[in-house]
Amino acid sequence: GIQVEQSPPDLILQEGANSTLRCNFSDSVNNLQWFHQNPWGQLINLFYIPSGTKQNGRLSATTVATERYSLLYISSSQTTDSGVYFCAVVLSGNTGKLIFGQGTTLQVKP
Amino acid sequence: DTGVSQDPRHKITKRGQNVTFRCDPISEHNRLYWYRQTLGQGPEFLTYFQNEAQLEKSRLLSDRFSAERPKGSFSTLEIQRTEQGDSAMYLCASSISGSQYFGPGTRLTVT
Repeated sequence: GIQVEQSPPDLILQEGANSTLRCNFSDSVNNLQWFHQNPWGQLINLFYIPSGTKQNGRLSATTVATERYSLLYISSSQTTDSGVYFCAVVLSGNTGKLIFGQGTTLQVKP
Repeated sequence: DTGVSQDPRHKITKRGQNVTFRCDPISEHNRLYWYRQTLGQGPEFLTYFQNEAQLEKSRLLSDRFSAERPKGSFSTLEIQRTEQGDSAMYLCASSISGSQYFGPGTRLTVT
């Protein structure tokens, strides 16, 4: 089956720093989403980005579908950015089920 | 738009008992998904409904698990004869197309 790999697995930043999280996938996909899971377990939608670039405030994401990767940029990080970031993909011709990576755990220190 | 809701938020049960969880999707969302997440892992797909039809089930969904979505609105996930390995966060998501939106989850602990 498809492999979804996220890197790095863990990341520690000082408040105000920038970071880039990467998601590689091994097959063609119809859809890619980025989520932030808060300490209470809630998955919060960040981006729906099967291709191209999107920005939302301090966050932006780029997906290069032909090269099978996506990047999530966090600028001027804040302590509230801490948590686990997941990318998830939907295979072409699928029912829409999401296949998640293992996540990147981000800790932002004040 | 009130978001996806799940009930209960937490459930502690003894091994061998049956449990049932409920998910209320965003209204007008015809697609509903159940996922399971264990500690340190990403969520894993369990089953998918389009309206009231259950169209896909993961092999993770053993015969002790059953899911329904009567009338294509809310959904229930039942686990019979719970085992300690069933301890996990059970997540529900809904969509109409494109993005899936997740509920807060039900955390199950089997003692």
